[in-house]
Amino acid sequence: GAVVSQHPSWVICKSGTSVKIECRSLDFQATTMFWYRQFPKQSLMLMATSNEGSKATYEQGVEKDKFLINHASLTLSTLTVTSAHPEDSSFYICSAPGTVNTEAFFGQGTRLTVV
Amino acid sequence: AQSVTQLDSQVPVFEEAPVELRCNYSSSVSVYLFWYVQYPNQGLQLLLKYLSGSTLVESINGFEAEFNKSQTSFHLRKPSVHISDTAEYFCAVSEGGGSNYKLTFGKGTLLTVNP
Repeated sequence: GAVVSQHPSWVICKSGTSVKIECRSLDFQATTMFWYRQFPKQSLMLMATSNEGSKATYEQGVEKDKFLINHASLTLSTLTVTSAHPEDSSFYICSAPGTVNTEAFFGQGTRLTVV
Repeated sequence: AQSVTQLDSQVPVFEEAPVELRCNYSSSVSVYLFWYVQYPNQGLQLLLKYLSGSTLVESINGFEAEFNKSQTSFHLRKPSVHISDTAEYFCAVSEGGGSNYKLTFGKGTLLTVNP
């Protein structure tokens, strides 16, 4: 099946620094990528939808300037957490619609810890 | 708007016992239903899905789920669980289809299989 590769799998950063998370579709082209955030023992919450060649669409309550999303090519979407703070510590997961219209493919996730 | 309710946050069972993880959804339109499994610090893996046709869908590792439109449910079952089935299970729903659909997730059910 289709593969979505997310990198890094975990990262620890200092408060105030920025962190970039990459999500690549390895064997298909993804015009759309979804970015989710998952708090411990909770479900996935959609943060934003990235669209290749255009601006991302953010869900209500998500700060655009803090979570920068770039979808520069059909195989790469990135999420940058700017000026990270401890409350941004979470598990971030990307997903892409696959070749079948109604199935999503998920990256492995990124565990972000801000100290 | 669509929503998903997973009634049990945790389900402990003994090995080789049967299990049912409950999922109810609400939506004003036709839906597609999914069960995903998540192992610690990993992304989500599709377990099974209902798109159309037979209301009973099965996975390759013995899980099955039945779409019940009148009860708006999509409960997940397995007649005999293994230790390796210990994981978090998420029920999800999407409305319609197309390449830009979004998934709404339930809060998850932690299945713990004890020896």
